[in-house]
Amino acid sequence: KAGVTQTPRYLIKTRGQQVTLSCSPISGHRSVSWYQQTPGQGLQFLFEYFSETQRNKGNFPGRFSGRQFSNSRSEMNVSTLELGDSALYLCASSLGQAAYEQYFGPGTRLTVT
Amino acid sequence: SQQGEEDPQALSIQEGENATMNCSYKTSINNLQWYRQNSGRGLVHLILIRSNEREKHSGRLRVTLDTSKKSSSLLITASRAADTASYFCATKQGAQKLVFGQGTRLTINP
Repeated sequence: KAGVTQTPRYLIKTRGQQVTLSCSPISGHRSVSWYQQTPGQGLQFLFEYFSETQRNKGNFPGRFSGRQFSNSRSEMNVSTLELGDSALYLCASSLGQAAYEQYFGPGTRLTVT
Repeated sequence: SQQGEEDPQALSIQEGENATMNCSYKTSINNLQWYRQNSGRGLVHLILIRSNEREKHSGRLRVTLDTSKKSSSLLITASRAADTASYFCATKQGAQKLVFGQGTRLTINP
């Protein structure tokens, strides 16, 4: 099976702009989670979707949003970008609540200037 | 705040030696997982240990879990240069999110 794919892999944006990141889970996986990774804060949970419903949400401002489509693909959006949003954004998929292992994509490196 | 805290933050050993990393957490858990991350890339799931298990093996990996002390350890035996990476523990509580620690940066010197 193909692994988790994320697009784009690299992105450079300026402050105030918005960005949309995409994640395609492993075929058959219905759960998608998003994480932000920075050197200072480490890996922080953003949100988790299961069957198009947001199941969990991390402590991020409302500028961060996401959604999941009927084919389990997921997108996350960050509006009004700030310098501090520069990070590696990781997407992970799993079969669901009963299957705990998460399979990560390679990440999207976002740089905000 | 992070649920899992790894110790040490960084570890440098010679190839062939064993590497031990520790993880402590704060609340009761359903399971604890270990992941590896090569520089700037996605995480790879290594092993999962459930709360009712005390030890688990997978190849050169050995994980222990002590729920009374709320701690876990990851042992990598006969280390190789390819083991150079960051290692994270992650805990899951019911249907709650998976929470990662800050990680241990492991360097294997040839």
